[in-house]
Amino acid sequence: AQKITQTQPGMFVQEKEAVTLDCTYDTSDQSYGLFWYKQPSSGEMIFLIYQGSYDEQNATEGRYSLNFQKARKSANLVISASQLGDSAMYFCAMREMDSSYKLIFGSGTRLLVRP
Amino acid sequence: EAGVAQSPRYKIIEKRQSVAFWCNPISGHATLYWYQQILGQGPKLLIQFQNNGVVDDSQLPKDRFSAERLKGVDSTLKIQPAKLEDSAVYLCASNKISSESSYNSPLHFGNGTRLTVT
Repeated sequence: AQKITQTQPGMFVQEKEAVTLDCTYDTSDQSYGLFWYKQPSSGEMIFLIYQGSYDEQNATEGRYSLNFQKARKSANLVISASQLGDSAMYFCAMREMDSSYKLIFGSGTRLLVRP
Repeated sequence: EAGVAQSPRYKIIEKRQSVAFWCNPISGHATLYWYQQILGQGPKLLIQFQNNGVVDDSQLPKDRFSAERLKGVDSTLKIQPAKLEDSAVYLCASNKISSESSYNSPLHFGNGTRLTVT
């Protein structure tokens, strides 16, 4: 079964506007962590933001915020005031608190920011 | 601090040949991961080490892939013999996780090795 689902293969956003990238996850654990990574065309994986399952407030990190809806098992990434440099692949990932703490990734969303 | 180092950056081989990739994690990081990322897809975990022991290798094609992490530091991933479908970027990552208290620790990735099998 797919653990992490990103239903938007590609997204466009106008520069300076906000955009939301969707992520839903599947777990029966009560303790887990959700991560978002950015992968520019150069290929490196850049950590953006983290949300723990017990965190009561949505995580924020600069222009990135996470819209965490635990009951719906969604952890959408919101990028405010988009910049041309935000054009990249974005991956949602989950870590379950089992013995391995492995990180499982979704299939990604390609974001293109238009000038 | 120095990041995760990987080499080579690119590799082109013919099918049925063998290839090896090397990874040096961030100093002090107990956990090391190898991911395979096929073009247009998300990274897929191949193997995870905790120090020099294997924690998870459930998705490693063990008939052709092998990996080791001697002395709990550097790691090598080998493919023998390679197939066309092994063409991908192989990403190495590390983090500090060694207990439940550090489960929010993000993975730090290397720049990857892009493998092309012809």
